[in-house]
Amino acid sequence: DAMVIQNPRYQVTQFGKPVTLSCSQTLNHNVMYWYQQKSSQAPKLLFHYYDKDFNNEADTPDNFQSRRPNTSFCFLDIRSPGLGDAAMYLCATSLRHGILYEQYFGPGTRLTVT
Amino acid sequence: AQSVTQLDSQVPVFEEAPVELRCNYSSSVSVYLFWYVQYPNQGLQLLLKYLSGSTLVESINGFEAEFNKSQTSFHLRKPSVHISDTAEYFCAVSTNTGNQFYFGTGTSLTVIP
Repeated sequence: DAMVIQNPRYQVTQFGKPVTLSCSQTLNHNVMYWYQQKSSQAPKLLFHYYDKDFNNEADTPDNFQSRRPNTSFCFLDIRSPGLGDAAMYLCATSLRHGILYEQYFGPGTRLTVT
Repeated sequence: AQSVTQLDSQVPVFEEAPVELRCNYSSSVSVYLFWYVQYPNQGLQLLLKYLSGSTLVESINGFEAEFNKSQTSFHLRKPSVHISDTAEYFCAVSTNTGNQFYFGTGTSLTVIP
């Protein structure tokens, strides 16, 4: 089945130690998104890639970066995680960008910062 | 700016009973409305959406939602819930001037046998 895969499902990192979260998709979609979801809060869009074009949300901290080496993979890099970065990170894809195009979500990676 | 309010963080309901999950939004422009469901250990899945036309929209598993412009609401209903409906439900809004979803904080529906 075509799907969105996130690895690992659970990630523990130390305060200030760089960490990378991975997302891959078999849907061949043009757009990939990264959301941050803190406990009891709504998912918040961090950035998205439309093909190779990177689109950062205005309030996304510089500590968060992303890479998309090819259509299938997208990475979220947190350069110096703080305790406040502990959250569920959701990856999503859509065929094109826009509200008419359904977003398909992965199961998420839960990040713990110690 | 747009915002979404889900008034109930947790809703317990007995099996085969009806349920309503409430969603209100604020926006100064025309909106598009969505309900997503997240089953345990899975990603969010689109349940239903309102883009235009009939204000009552239905999903394939018996849920329905009605867009009420005057009350700025998009409540989700099901006349008879099943154990398998236990999940987190998120309401989301977008507008015709942007491509971003604004999610609510979610409602955890627990169906009790």
